[in-house]
Amino acid sequence: GESVGLHLPTLSVQEGDNSIINCAYSNSASDYFIWYKQESGKGPQFIIDIRSNMDKRQGQRVTVLLNKTVKHLSLQIAATQPGDSAVYFCAENPLGSNYKLTFGKGTLLTVNP
Amino acid sequence: KAGVTQTPRYLIKTRGQQVTLSCSPISGHRSVSWYQQTPGQGLQFLFEYFSETQRNKGNFPGRFSGRQFSNSRSEMNVSTLELGDSALYLCASRADGGRNIQYFGAGTRLSVL
Repeated sequence: GESVGLHLPTLSVQEGDNSIINCAYSNSASDYFIWYKQESGKGPQFIIDIRSNMDKRQGQRVTVLLNKTVKHLSLQIAATQPGDSAVYFCAENPLGSNYKLTFGKGTLLTVNP
Repeated sequence: KAGVTQTPRYLIKTRGQQVTLSCSPISGHRSVSWYQQTPGQGLQFLFEYFSETQRNKGNFPGRFSGRQFSNSRSEMNVSTLELGDSALYLCASRADGGRNIQYFGAGTRLSVL
């Protein structure tokens, strides 16, 4: 039968702008979250992680914000570059699920030069 | 340090056949997880192996199986292939303890005709 593709949310930004990618997670028992970047033809690449006892964590050009009240996660990319163009996934690790990651649907980021 | 290596990169099979995919984790990583990625369902967890034991399993039929060897290399097998098994199969490894950062290989693209 016909396969229905995921209609990925898309975000298009100009080179040099800041990007904000949002993710709503489902399990209030999740205690660990990760952001991954997946370029065409490659596997997901780790960007940054955050535990549930934190609200914010910063890396190089990236910041992750966690709002447990509304079960929302965001990834901020500063000074976005063409090489940042990819699909970005958030993943959650529910407490008690061992090391199983549950992935969101992903957001396609396109950076225009 | 070499990353996660998956072989083969591409595979074409017909319905009813079986297939075996291979994954070599990052040196020193004892945990290997497998995920299926499709346009319709996104990234879905298949199973996780640690020290040759299946530690966690997702919601896939018994046609999907795996194993891990004493050197931490892992294989997954899909028997009686169906058209819907066409997907990118990703393997990820992680270090013991601490953060659940899973490092992914480039995947095996399986097409079932």
